[in-house]
Amino acid sequence: GESVGLHLPTLSVQEGDNSIINCAYSNSASDYFIWYKQESGKGPQFIIDIRSNMDKRQGQRVTVLLNKTVKHLSLQIAATQPGDSAVYFCAEPGTSYDKVIFGPGTSLSVIP
Amino acid sequence: DARVTQTPRDKVTEMGQEVTMRCQPILGHNTVFWYRQTMMQGLELLAYFRNRAPLDDSGMPKDRFSAEMPDATLATLKIQPSEPRDSAVYFCASGLGASGRVETQYFGPGTRLLVL
Repeated sequence: GESVGLHLPTLSVQEGDNSIINCAYSNSASDYFIWYKQESGKGPQFIIDIRSNMDKRQGQRVTVLLNKTVKHLSLQIAATQPGDSAVYFCAEPGTSYDKVIFGPGTSLSVIP
Repeated sequence: DARVTQTPRDKVTEMGQEVTMRCQPILGHNTVFWYRQTMMQGLELLAYFRNRAPLDDSGMPKDRFSAEMPDATLATLKIQPSEPRDSAVYFCASGLGASGRVETQYFGPGTRLLVL
């Protein structure tokens, strides 16, 4: 079966430091990955995505890295701010591509 | 600013009662998903629709849960009868599916359900 999982369930970082959230996936055929951010009391929100023909993609303060060799992706947040405190999910398409499979999530806490 | 809306935001009910949750997807989106989120199970896909037709409801307990799309602007998730183990946050998400694929899903704020 396919699964998407996270290495660390919780992460605490000092405000201003960089954060790195990791994700392992098992379906080597996945060609698209998405990171979602879920703030307390809200639904998940799209942050950034990456296709399998890329190994890096940058957004505003966020960078996603994809290593297909070891089936690993990471989300890097530069100069972490208190507003970045949330649960972060990585996700990949299911085999039918109609669905998206979400990982268990990593809770990021930013220490002021 | 287009967004998915869900009602009610919070629902407290007693075991055995019927619960109906509603979702208005983003106008123009042709795919609607229902998820359930709990601390233990994380985000679970319950069912989803494409162009109002149910595509997959294998994640849903069939005996008590039902999902419908009466029209393109309304999706409903019903639990009858409700049980304490149904307590969770239920999210609706919508997206635009092309060639059978939805890449980005837009989530509503969720309905927090507590069954006593």
